[in-house]
Amino acid sequence: NAGVTQTPKFRILKIGQSMTLQCTQDMNHNYMYWYRQDPGMGLKLIYYSVGAGITDKGEVPNGYNVSRSTTEDFPLRLELAAPSQTSVYFCASSPNRGTEAFFGQGTRLTVV
Amino acid sequence: GENVEQHPSTLSVQEGDSAVIKCTYSDSASNYFPWYKQELGKGPQLIIDIRSNVGEKKDQRIAVTLNKTAKHFSLHITETQPEDSAVYFCAASTNKHTGTASKLTFGTGTRLQVTL
Repeated sequence: NAGVTQTPKFRILKIGQSMTLQCTQDMNHNYMYWYRQDPGMGLKLIYYSVGAGITDKGEVPNGYNVSRSTTEDFPLRLELAAPSQTSVYFCASSPNRGTEAFFGQGTRLTVV
Repeated sequence: GENVEQHPSTLSVQEGDSAVIKCTYSDSASNYFPWYKQELGKGPQLIIDIRSNVGEKKDQRIAVTLNKTAKHFSLHITETQPEDSAVYFCAASTNKHTGTASKLTFGTGTRLQVTL
């Protein structure tokens, strides 16, 4: 199993551009999450999903959108990139509520 | 919502010494407390977790204690080794509603350095 795979690993965006961060997992997990990690701030939940077709907002959803058309994929969309979205983004999945979350390797995004 | 505080932010110990990282949480309904280790350039990886019906859990050199009354939990690493150097995050979650995900609230992290 590859686990949780994120692409790309690095990206530089100009202000106002849009992009999609890809996330796929091959563990057949129902729950998937997107976090952002800023220096000294821990991880903040952006969006999460409890299964295909179901998504919900986390702590910091503004400026992002997600979709979950399949169990495997959970892409994160940035429509109008802003410098405040410069961060490291992590996708994670877990099989059930209150169980281990498996993280991807992260995407380092810089908005200039 | 849940708030998790973590201390210290940095910790330097000599190889072979013990390291202790402490976290407090605010939501008394929280019932799952994992600890994650993050190495440079990688995603966080679970090293140990504890549930609210247990006061202590051990896995070789790593142990976690939970005090529900005081709403704090701690990570203990004994006989530290250079490969223990990393950033450690505590987290807390609660499953208040059926069908919702267990949303983890993370602490701000502790950078542990084990020196020779």
